[in-house]
Amino acid sequence: NAGVTQTPKFQVLKTGQSMTLQCAQDMNHEYMSWYRQDPGMGLRLIHYSVGAGITDQGEVPNGYNVSRSTTEDFPLRLLSAAPSQTSVYFCASSSYRRSTGELFFGEGSRLTVL
Amino acid sequence: GQQVMQIPQYQHVQEGEDFTTYCNSSTTLSNIQWYKQRPGGHPVFLIQLVKSGEVKKQKRLTFQFGEAKKNSSLHITATQTTDVGTYFCAGPWWSNFGNEKLTFGTGTRLTIIP
Repeated sequence: NAGVTQTPKFQVLKTGQSMTLQCAQDMNHEYMSWYRQDPGMGLRLIHYSVGAGITDQGEVPNGYNVSRSTTEDFPLRLLSAAPSQTSVYFCASSSYRRSTGELFFGEGSRLTVL
Repeated sequence: GQQVMQIPQYQHVQEGEDFTTYCNSSTTLSNIQWYKQRPGGHPVFLIQLVKSGEVKKQKRLTFQFGEAKKNSSLHITATQTTDVGTYFCAGPWWSNFGNEKLTFGTGTRLTIIP
C-alpha cells in the first residue's frame, strides 16, 4: 500500500530557480491538495483539485502552479523560487469530491530556497 | 475566508497528567476533523465530528463538537509518551466554485515530561 507518494523528500534551490514537487496516489482518490507547513502557521492550503482537469486556489496560491491531467498525479510547480517558499510541503488526498473526508497525507517534501 | 484558531500553541505536561486543546472557528462548521502529527512525520487523521454536541471517544482521547458547531476540543486522559506530537483541528469551507476545502488550525504541540 503506497498511499500518497511525494518526491523529492528534500530539495535545495537557489532564488529564481524552478522545480516541480511530485505527488502520486494509488487509492483512486478524486480530491488532491497541497499544503505548506511553516512553524507556528499550521498547514496552509496552496491549491487543490476535485478531479482530473479541475483545480482551484487555496489560501496561499501565489508563486505556485498546479495541473491535474490524471486522477493519480497532482504536481506542484514553483516557477521562480523565493526564500519565502522555504517550507515543508505536504500532498494529501481524499476519496470525496464535493466534501473533504479523511485526508491521507504524503510524507512531505522539505524545500530550502537560498 | 474561514479562520480556525487553536489554543494553546504549546503544552508541556508531566506524564500521566491530562491534556486539552481547543479549536474555535469564525463560522459555523458542517463538520470538524482532528489530526495528529508526530515530530518529523506527517499529519494522520484521528476523527471527524459532524453532529452538534457530539462526543466521541478513542481510548484515552475524547473529542467534543460544540452545540453551535463553532468550537471543538480534544482531551487526553493520563498522557503517555506516545501522545507526543502536534494536534490539529480542521474545518471545511466552500469555495466560490462550490467545492469544499479544508482549513487547518495552527495546532497545539504537546510535549511530555517523563
